[in-house]
Amino acid sequence: AQKVTQAQTEISVVEKEDVTLDCVYETRDTTYYLFWYKQPPSGELVFLIRRNSFDEQNEISGRYSWNFQKSTSSFNFTITASQVVDSAVYFCALSEARETSGSRLTFGEGTQLTVNP
Amino acid sequence: NAGVTQTPKFQVLKTGQSMTLQCAQDMNHEYMSWYRQDPGMGLRLIHYSVGAGITDQGEVPNGYNVSRSTTEDFPLRLLSAAPSQTSVYFCASISTWDRGTFGYGYTFGSGTRLTVV
Repeated sequence: AQKVTQAQTEISVVEKEDVTLDCVYETRDTTYYLFWYKQPPSGELVFLIRRNSFDEQNEISGRYSWNFQKSTSSFNFTITASQVVDSAVYFCALSEARETSGSRLTFGEGTQLTVNP
Repeated sequence: NAGVTQTPKFQVLKTGQSMTLQCAQDMNHEYMSWYRQDPGMGLRLIHYSVGAGITDQGEVPNGYNVSRSTTEDFPLRLLSAAPSQTSVYFCASISTWDRGTFGYGYTFGSGTRLTVV
């Protein structure tokens, strides 16, 4: 069975601080996908990144960066110089890479990030 | 290109009533799935489909039925609503062909907030 753990239920920072959201996962598959989604107060789910398990290259996109470490089964997300608009719930998710089960996403419980001015 | 469209956005049901949550996508995605979101529990998979005519159960299927007669539509039926089914429901889809390292993620609908009284 797959499992995703986001141990930080809530994080509160002051604007311009850097913040890291932790994600630890469990799977028996050797090939899988990892995702981060953002859910702002309006409620929709916004796709941020997808990472394939066979590529451990870290990714940077503007103020966002992701650190994938297969050895520790972690896929952490860092926001640099946080802004009030970053306030949201962030979900880490895992899916198998098999053809017949591509629809099965396993989500973590989510981390509520509040960025105060 | 509308993406994933869910209707209705809000619904109040009485215990024992039945209803269908609609989900439609116009991206020709093979995979579609339904999730429910409850506080502190992330999103949990209810049912999913890998193509027209093929459906399977997810983590929390009890009390829900699905069918997939076309590629575009994947309705979720509540046969006899219970207060435990009060939740926010999300439909999602993804294409099977995207195998790239940094490919896009599942596209989610805007959600249906269901209250069962």
